[in-house]
Amino acid sequence: AQSVAQPEDQVNVAEGNPLTVKCTYSVSGNPYLFWYVQYPNRGLQFLLKYITGDNLVKGSYGFEAEFNKSQTSFHLKKPSALVSDSALYFCAVRDRDDKIIFGKGTRLHILP
Amino acid sequence: DVKVTQSSRYLVKRTGEKVFLECVQDMDHENMFWYRQDPGLGLRLIYFSYDVKMKEKGDIPEGYSVSREKKERFSLILESASTNQTSMYLCASSGTGFGPQHFGDGTRLSIL
Repeated sequence: AQSVAQPEDQVNVAEGNPLTVKCTYSVSGNPYLFWYVQYPNRGLQFLLKYITGDNLVKGSYGFEAEFNKSQTSFHLKKPSALVSDSALYFCAVRDRDDKIIFGKGTRLHILP
Repeated sequence: DVKVTQSSRYLVKRTGEKVFLECVQDMDHENMFWYRQDPGLGLRLIYFSYDVKMKEKGDIPEGYSVSREKKERFSLILESASTNQTSMYLCASSGTGFGPQHFGDGTRLSIL
């Protein structure tokens, strides 16, 4: 069965520093991977996806993610964090039949 | 832009009541999903639907049912509400293929 794991419940980063939110996956076949962000009292917003092609995927709000097949990872990155990036981030993998399986989420705190 | 609209942002009901949560999408998406989100548990899939009149059980269907009479509308029904159904409920839709799911802003439901 497909699955994703987000090993950190919370990540703290100083404003202006680079940030990384970690995700590892387990799939049979080709992985189709997603990152979503959730702001307080809102639904999830799509940030980016990896289907095939370049290992570095660029998405919304300056975020990017690096797909690493040998390490089965899909870490979310941003070169310079903003306080407004503070939110809950979900990694996800496409399951069979268009379903998506979500990780438990990582809360990102950007400290001013 | 895809818009997924959930009829209520906040809802308070009493145990034993029959509760209806409505979701409408405007992008002619085939697939629609209902999740509940609880702290520490991430998103859990309740029911989903690939077409009008079709429904499939997700991971936690007990105590819930759904209705999809029109393509754009997917309703979640709590047959007899219980306090353990207090949660944030999220609706999502997607097209076929490898696109992301698009989420509504959620309904925060409290069962007293």
